[in-house]
Amino acid sequence: QSALTQPPSVSGSPGQSVTISCTGTSSDVGTYNRVSWYQQPPGTAPKLMIYDISDRPSGVPDRFSGSKSGNTASLTISGLQAEDEADYYCSSYTTSSTVVFGGGTKLTVL
Amino acid sequence: QVQLVQSGAEVKKPGASVKVSCKASGYTFDIYAMHWVRQAPGQRLEWMGWINGGDGHTKYSQKFQDRVTITRDTSASTAYMELSSLRSEDTAVYYCARSYSHDYWGQGTLVTVSS
Repeated sequence: QSALTQPPSVSGSPGQSVTISCTGTSSDVGTYNRVSWYQQPPGTAPKLMIYDISDRPSGVPDRFSGSKSGNTASLTISGLQAEDEADYYCSSYTTSSTVVFGGGTKLTVL
Repeated sequence: QVQLVQSGAEVKKPGASVKVSCKASGYTFDIYAMHWVRQAPGQRLEWMGWINGGDGHTKYSQKFQDRVTITRDTSASTAYMELSSLRSEDTAVYYCARSYSHDYWGQGTLVTVSS
């Protein structure tokens, strides 16, 4: 199972919006709505930000939103804040009953 | 509150095995699956496998199929991940994470493989 494809890096200024894409195949992202997004600041464990394409766990700001079209899922962060700077990963359940992660995207807040 | 507490750091020689534990609290252990994910230094998250908390059914990544064994002890609300035939490339932080959405994570266990 190959990793899901994410851009290596994205950047934006405070207050702006950024979108991170996550491209898979019909064996994972394209078939299931079980796509999640995680935030990982350096040296810490990942934190769930979005699950099931677009649902937010309690406590996650509504500045974070998710969507999906075909084999590509997306995470949008609006009203960028300095504290959003971190690595972001997507994951998807697959038709083999496994899970696959993306390669990760480093978000820089300028 | 849900907590996943993992065992401490390990240093192993090439060819050895390591077993990492993950003790769950704050929820009914056998209702949820437990997944294991690793992250080598500076690298991406890599999914290893999962175990059904109820019936103990397991599913492993093809990459680790021959070397990993995930078990659980429902009486102790604890999941275990054992990786055998260790090599230097297995040096990584190993995480347990609850359910397919990985809504809760352990603190991570650093496993260092070095001669």
